[in-house]
Amino acid sequence: DTGVSQNPRHKITKRGQNVTFRCDPISEHNRLYWYRQTLGQGPEFLTYFQNEAQLEKSRLLSDRFSAERPKGSFSTLEIQRTEQGDSAMYLCASNQQRNTEAFFGQGTRLTVV
Amino acid sequence: DQQVKQNSPSLSVQEGRISILNCDYTNSMFDYFLWYKKYPAEGPTFLISISSIKDKNEDGRFTVFLNKSAKHLSLHIVPSQPGDSAVYFCAASYGNAGKSTFGDGTTLTVKP
Repeated sequence: DTGVSQNPRHKITKRGQNVTFRCDPISEHNRLYWYRQTLGQGPEFLTYFQNEAQLEKSRLLSDRFSAERPKGSFSTLEIQRTEQGDSAMYLCASNQQRNTEAFFGQGTRLTVV
Repeated sequence: DQQVKQNSPSLSVQEGRISILNCDYTNSMFDYFLWYKKYPAEGPTFLISISSIKDKNEDGRFTVFLNKSAKHLSLHIVPSQPGDSAVYFCAASYGNAGKSTFGDGTTLTVKP
């Protein structure tokens, strides 16, 4: 297993377009997390899944954002009608148990022009 | 209201000396604390953690100290090496370490 994989690594999109990112967690991990990181700040929690169930969503996650993990394996994060303020690094992480560290992917850098 | 604060954006130390990175938190519900290291163009990688029932955890050159009464933790790196140069994030959680609140990071530079 090569760790948490995120695709694409970079995405440039025009304002108003929809974008979708994919995350493949470490295979035996049943918990998957999405974070957003802007320049000069730490990662901010967006949402997380245990298996296919989305258990928590941050208030940062506006109704333009939707995340899925249909079969409890990979996850997608979709942003509809992108805005310039959505430009950030989107990080995915996974872990197996409640109190163990999260393993992060390399992230998808989104630029909205 | 930032619940986890790293007040030093940057720190520079000489190779072989001790690096001390500090972190303060405000939420007394936090029960698990982690330090992550991040190199450019990579995601954060876990370094060391500590449960709120302990006051110290050591792993090789890295030691984390927790002072619950002061709501303060610190990461000590001894001896510091040039390869330790990275951004270090302090993170805190309760009930689920994967869902953490992060500080804004401290950029450590270790000079040869």
